[in-house]
Amino acid sequence: AQSVSQHNHHVILSEAASLELGCNYSYGGTVNLFWYVQYPGQHLQLLLKYFSGDPLVKGIKGFEAEFIKSKFSFNLRKPSVQWSDTAEYFCAVNFNRDDKIIFGKGTRLHILP
Amino acid sequence: EAQVTQNPRYLITVTGKKLTVTCSQNMNHEYMSWYRQDPGLGLRQIYYSMNVEVTDKGDVPEGYKVSRKEKRNFPLILESPSPNQTSLYFCASSLARTTYEQYFGPGTRLTVT
Repeated sequence: AQSVSQHNHHVILSEAASLELGCNYSYGGTVNLFWYVQYPGQHLQLLLKYFSGDPLVKGIKGFEAEFIKSKFSFNLRKPSVQWSDTAEYFCAVNFNRDDKIIFGKGTRLHILP
Repeated sequence: EAQVTQNPRYLITVTGKKLTVTCSQNMNHEYMSWYRQDPGLGLRQIYYSMNVEVTDKGDVPEGYKVSRKEKRNFPLILESPSPNQTSLYFCASSLARTTYEQYFGPGTRLTVT
C-alpha cells in the first residue's frame, strides 16, 4: 500500500537553528509532492510543492525541500528558524496522478524564543 | 476573497443523531475533498469528488456519506454518528484533481458523546 512517513513526530529547536524535517514515501512511480503547514488554531496552507524539474524547490517563508528520487524522500529545510515557525508540518504525496493524496502523520515543531 | 468555508465550526452531538457539515468554495474548483485529523494519525481522506455528481471513497469512508450536486458545495453527512467519529474535519478544494494546491477550510471540531 502507498504510504508516507514522517520520521520526527515532535521537534524542538531554538531560534536561528537550522531545520530539516524528513519525509519518505513508498515506491509508487510518478509522484507529486507537497509540504503543508498548520499554525496553531489555523487551517492547513501550502508551503511548497514539487511536480517535475529542479528537485530543489523553494517555498514561502524561507522554506525549501529537496526531492531525492533514489531515496524516495522529500525533506523540508530552513537554514534559520524563527519562533513564528512553531506549527505542525505535513508531507503529502500524490501517486501516479491518481485521485488521492496521502498525508504523513505530521511533525510538531516547537521553536524556543 | 477566495476561500473554503465550513459550518458549523464546532459541534457536540449524541450518538445516532444525524448531522451534516457543510463545505462551500468560491473558486470554481473541480476537486473537493474531506479529511479527518486525529492526534498521531495526521490527515486521512474520507471522500473526494472530482466534479459534480462524481464522488469516490478515500481511505476512511466508513460511517460517512457525501454528495456533490453543485460545484461549489460538498457536504459531509454522518447518518448515525458514533464516538469514534469525534475528530477535527477539514474540507479542501483544488483546481483539478490533486496536482494542484489544495485550499483548506478552517475545520470543524466534532464531538460525539
